[in-house]
Amino acid sequence: DIQMTQSPSSLSASVGDRVTITCQASQDISNFLNWYQQKPGKAPKLLIYDASYLEAGVPSRFSGSGSGTDFTFTISSLQPEDIATYYCQQYDNLPSFGQGTRLEIK
Amino acid sequence: EVQLVESGGGLVQPGGSLRLSCAASGFTFSSYAMTWVRQAPGKGLEWVSGISGSGDSTNYADSVKGRFTISRDNSKNTLYLQMNSLRAEDTAVYYCAKDRVILANAWFESWGQGALVTVSS
Repeated sequence: DIQMTQSPSSLSASVGDRVTITCQASQDISNFLNWYQQKPGKAPKLLIYDASYLEAGVPSRFSGSGSGTDFTFTISSLQPEDIATYYCQQYDNLPSFGQGTRLEIK
Repeated sequence: EVQLVESGGGLVQPGGSLRLSCAASGFTFSSYAMTWVRQAPGKGLEWVSGISGSGDSTNYADSVKGRFTISRDNSKNTLYLQMNSLRAEDTAVYYCAKDRVILANAWFESWGQGALVTVSS
């Protein structure tokens, strides 16, 4: 099984800050990596697919990069509505998720 | 507009069974793979099972293999998850999700609102 390790597990930042979350796979997964946003009490939402492609309708302040085992998710300028938990997910083999990063406003 | 509506959740005793349903609308159901993902209270997301558009190919997480069965009825636009031999650790909100393609379990682009399953005596 492929293990996905996200860091940090929680993060506090101010409005307008640049926020970065990392995700490391236990083996090479090429670019088979997606990022999701989950707000409290809601279903997850796909933001980034194939490591770096922005899902339709998602604001351009969200971006992703990486390949192989190391991936990065970035919010270029944090907005209040971005408060959520973010998950990476690989699909090289059977799908698996990272443990999540809880993002809070400072 | 894609809509996914789960039903069938509830309270069940350890060792019991439950069947979840996910009614789909707004897209050609048989053309897309479907998936179940669960989330235990206060915890992260866990992929549970996936099925191809035709229903011929299924996959399961090790944690549910042999106990859960995924299926679909393309004539009714409905996805199912039959859960047997339930354990306390199966307590979670169960989400159904639509994939982007017919075969893979990869891109979960649309999600239902979730159904809560509680396993407790």
